[in-house]
Amino acid sequence: QKEVEQNSGPLSVPEGAIASLNCTYSDRGSQSFFWYRQYSGKSPELIMFIYSNGDKEDGRFTAQLNKASQYVSLLIRDSQPSDSATYLCAAPNNNDMRFGAGTRLTVKP
Amino acid sequence: EAQVTQNPRYLITVTGKKLTVTCSQNMNHEYMSWYRQDPGLGLRQIYYSMNVEVTDKGDVPEGYKVSRKEKRNFPLILESPSPNQTSLYFCASSLYRGNTEAFFGQGTRLTVV
Repeated sequence: QKEVEQNSGPLSVPEGAIASLNCTYSDRGSQSFFWYRQYSGKSPELIMFIYSNGDKEDGRFTAQLNKASQYVSLLIRDSQPSDSATYLCAAPNNNDMRFGAGTRLTVKP
Repeated sequence: EAQVTQNPRYLITVTGKKLTVTCSQNMNHEYMSWYRQDPGLGLRQIYYSMNVEVTDKGDVPEGYKVSRKEKRNFPLILESPSPNQTSLYFCASSLYRGNTEAFFGQGTRLTVV
């Protein structure tokens, strides 16, 4: 079973801080990784994807990928209360997508 | 507006009473799938479809059926629901394969009593 693992949290950070969300995966053949955000009671929505080693930045979000360590992370700079949500890491597995259990993030004003 | 539409949003039913959750997408996506989401377990795939008349089992297919007679529709059928199928269900679609960006429906919260 090819797995995607995340710390379930909850992770709590103060407003304005950097939130760091981590994910490990078992399939060395995975080429791309996705981060979804899911607000309570809502459906997941894609916020970033990354397929190259290193960093990818989009506004306050930075995805980091280290294929040698099979590790992908999401950094949220200047965290806002509106960032409070569950963040799901996902990796392709053959014809489908395998999701982690998600990390619940709370940003406190 | 590009979207995936699920119905109903909420459903309470009794054990053994057949039900269908509908899913429709207007993006001409080839790939569609169903997930269930349970606390601590994340999203688990039930069934997926790579195109019309092509369906296959995901990780947790027991107790579910699907069909893909048209490209836009992918209904989920519970022939004889049981309480352990109480969950939050999501339909999703992707352009070609499941390893690309997935667009999710609004979710269906199912309670089986």
